[in-house]
Amino acid sequence: EDQVTQSPEALRLQEGESSSLNCSYTVSGLRGLFWYRQDPGKGPEFLFTLYSAGEEKEKERLKATLTKKESFLHITAPKPEDSATYLCAVHSRWAGNNRKLIWGLGTSLAVNP
Amino acid sequence: EAQVTQNPRYLITVTGKKLTVTCSQNMNHEYMSWYRQDPGLGLRQIYYSMNVEVTDKGDVPEGYKVSRKEKRNFPLILESPSPNQTSLYFCASSFGMGNPNYGYTFGSGTRLTVV
Repeated sequence: EDQVTQSPEALRLQEGESSSLNCSYTVSGLRGLFWYRQDPGKGPEFLFTLYSAGEEKEKERLKATLTKKESFLHITAPKPEDSATYLCAVHSRWAGNNRKLIWGLGTSLAVNP
Repeated sequence: EAQVTQNPRYLITVTGKKLTVTCSQNMNHEYMSWYRQDPGLGLRQIYYSMNVEVTDKGDVPEGYKVSRKEKRNFPLILESPSPNQTSLYFCASSFGMGNPNYGYTFGSGTRLTVV
């Protein structure tokens, strides 16, 4: 069964304290792995798509990496405005034409000034 | 501005009273989908649509209906809402798999309470 597990559930950092969020996945043929940011009461905001092991993508203080079993979202020198829930999702080849994503429960990140 | 627009943002209704949540996108996306988000359960797909007049069930379709008569619109219909449909609902759309910008764009959400 396709599954996505994110850890930790919650993370509190001081401003400038770098860290990483983990997304472990089990999927029958990965078509893509997605990272989203979600602010309270709002829709998820697309960050990255990764397609194959070894791939990396960066955007400002965020860098996403992918292996055959997991993905990391590295946050370098975070600022308070990076506080949000970060969601990971995978798209399985078995989904066929349905672009249904299998979602993790997210990591709630709080960055203190 | 490229976006997915959902209405209403908040809705409180009574059990059994039919309601429709509208969703519209201005990006010419073929694919649209509805999700509900519940604490501890994450995002779960309700229905999806590959294109006009093509819809299919997701993981939790019971109690919901959808239609796709135009490419830009994908309304979610609750014929007889029940309290277990109290949730945060999101509409999302995307380009096809071959597009380098493949990734969902989500609406701002509709918080539905059924009493």
